[in-house]
Amino acid sequence: DAKTTQPNSMESNEEEPVHLPCNHSTISGTDYIHWYRQLPSQGPEYVIHGLTSNVNNRMASLAIAEDRKSSTLILHRATLRDAAVYYCILRDDGSSNTGKLIFGQGTTLQVKP
Amino acid sequence: GAGVSQTPSNKVTEKGKYVELRCDPISGHTALYWYRQSLGQGPEFLIYFQGTGAADDSGLPNDRFFAVRPEGSVSTLKIQRTERGDSAVYLCASSSTGHPLNEQFFGPGTRLTVL
Repeated sequence: DAKTTQPNSMESNEEEPVHLPCNHSTISGTDYIHWYRQLPSQGPEYVIHGLTSNVNNRMASLAIAEDRKSSTLILHRATLRDAAVYYCILRDDGSSNTGKLIFGQGTTLQVKP
Repeated sequence: GAGVSQTPSNKVTEKGKYVELRCDPISGHTALYWYRQSLGQGPEFLIYFQGTGAADDSGLPNDRFFAVRPEGSVSTLKIQRTERGDSAVYLCASSSTGHPLNEQFFGPGTRLTVL
């Protein structure tokens, strides 16, 4: 699985937008970009995923660079509940892939009131 | 509906003892994953079940670790002769099928402490 690079930590103020970057310069054509987050003392939860086009859902938006070597998870209005570790993960949709998630260190997001 | 549940939530044991950790996946989910998370690290893959069979056990650290899913639903992770280095949070996740892009739903984890 291709490797991703994320900043160790970021801070945001409540009700402001947050842009969480992820670099994946060795991404392959069949790799999807997935984001999971882990709230304190909980298991990870799915946030969003995409391949080439930008994606939006109720939780967040995902902006993918044209060359796909980087992406940004956007939280439009951070709340205190968004304080978590955010993981950017590449997943290959190949038939031989078991679907296991390869987590890195992630970005710890702190949200200030 | 009910999510993934794991029992116990906490387990304290002594070095050398045997432990079993249980995972109840979401009903109807055929794929089940076990991960281990050490303090300050991201979760690390251990084993993947598709139905009753272990389709990928490449993440099990050694032969002290074993997992079963006899009826394709509940899974048990078994650790023999526990060591202090086994202390971690053990996470279970399930997904509706084994498709590699399916969303995985995680349980709250079992915190294992080996004294």
